[in-house]
Amino acid sequence: DTGVSQNPRHKITKRGQNVTFRCDPISEHNRLYWYRQTLGQGPEFLTYFQNEAQLEKSRLLSDRFSAERPKGSFSTLEIQRTEQGDSAMYLCASSPRGDRATGELFFGEGSRLTVL
Amino acid sequence: DQQVKQNSPSLSVQEGRISILNCDYTNSMFDYFLWYKKYPAEGPTFLISISSIKDKNEDGRFTVFLNKSAKHLSLHIVPSQPGDSAVYFCAAANYGGSQGNLIFGKGTKLSVKP
Repeated sequence: DTGVSQNPRHKITKRGQNVTFRCDPISEHNRLYWYRQTLGQGPEFLTYFQNEAQLEKSRLLSDRFSAERPKGSFSTLEIQRTEQGDSAMYLCASSPRGDRATGELFFGEGSRLTVL
Repeated sequence: DQQVKQNSPSLSVQEGRISILNCDYTNSMFDYFLWYKKYPAEGPTFLISISSIKDKNEDGRFTVFLNKSAKHLSLHIVPSQPGDSAVYFCAAANYGGSQGNLIFGKGTKLSVKP
């Protein structure tokens, strides 16, 4: 088990461009989460999936953001027409369903987005 | 409206002494609380958790205390070590209400000096 994997680790783009991040969760974890973290803030919830179903979306997830998990395994987070305010660390986490013993989310190392 | 608050952005402690990190919350529906530790350029890693039915949970050098009436929890690290220097995030969840996500505080940067 290699943990949650995120790619790319760092993306620099120009304002107005589209970017896509990929997350591979721990195998057999059926819940997958996306968070955003900016400087001086804690991780902010964006959305989560149970298998392929997107169950919850934060109001932070504007219509320029879309997340998918087509086969219930890996997930992608796409940001269209990027703005400088989108610059942040995008964190992916996974958890097994029913793991209420700890309620722990397992985080990846994040994908840092810089919008110039 | 911040539901989970960590009012101390930073804390400096001498090696071997106790570190106490504090966290307050406003949502009485939270039923699970966690502490995460984060090093620069890495994702948060789980440290310790506590259910709302308990008031204390201990794991080695780490103890979390929960005061539900005050809506306050704290993380005690004894003895503190230089390797504990990191940003610590408090997080809360409402698993009983099927809320699937964690709500995080802004974090406290702990520096343990040798």
